[in-house]
Amino acid sequence: GENVEQHPSTLSVQEGDSAVIKCTYSDSASNYFPWYKQELGKRPQLIIDIRSNVGEKKDQRIAVTLNKTAKHFSLHITETQPEDSAVYFCAAWPGFQKLVFGTGTRLLVSP
Amino acid sequence: DAMVIQNPRYQVTQFGKPVTLSCSQTLNHNVMYWYQQKSSQAPKLLFHYYDKDFNNEADTPDNFQSRRPNTSFCFLDIRSPGLGDTAMYLCATSRDRGGETQYFGPGTRLLVL
Repeated sequence: GENVEQHPSTLSVQEGDSAVIKCTYSDSASNYFPWYKQELGKRPQLIIDIRSNVGEKKDQRIAVTLNKTAKHFSLHITETQPEDSAVYFCAAWPGFQKLVFGTGTRLLVSP
Repeated sequence: DAMVIQNPRYQVTQFGKPVTLSCSQTLNHNVMYWYQQKSSQAPKLLFHYYDKDFNNEADTPDNFQSRRPNTSFCFLDIRSPGLGDTAMYLCATSRDRGGETQYFGPGTRLLVL
């Protein structure tokens, strides 16, 4: 079955810096890769997603890149702000099976 | 505006006392999921309904059951909660199963004493 690895587990940056979170997946059949942000005690919220026919997608300060050959995808946050502090989960969808989550990255943005 | 609603938001129960958590959605989505999330971990899928078709995960304990009486509602029943069932329970929906966005509800925080 699909296995998703996520790194780093924790990431501390200064406000205004960029943050990058990386995920690798094992199943070449995976074709949908969402990223969720979860603040403490709240629901996971989709912040961006990418499908396997696209290499990069941007939404304001957030971007995701996908390398199908290497089976990895990354989340890039530019000009980080304290409100970006949260746990971020990547996930992969290997066809008609369950969404497989990474282990999460705790991002702390210090003012 | 709320699209996926969960009740109650907080539930305290005693060891072994059955508990039911509810989820409703206004999106008319075909798929409803139940996840268990423990502190600092990723959500763990318990089961999902594709319309009326129930799909259990292989490692979901028999203690956990679910009902979906109609498109809008789905329930999670924990027949005999143990201390290890203390967790956040998240309901999610998606339009279809094929790589569709999942929308999460606010969750029910369950404490088993």
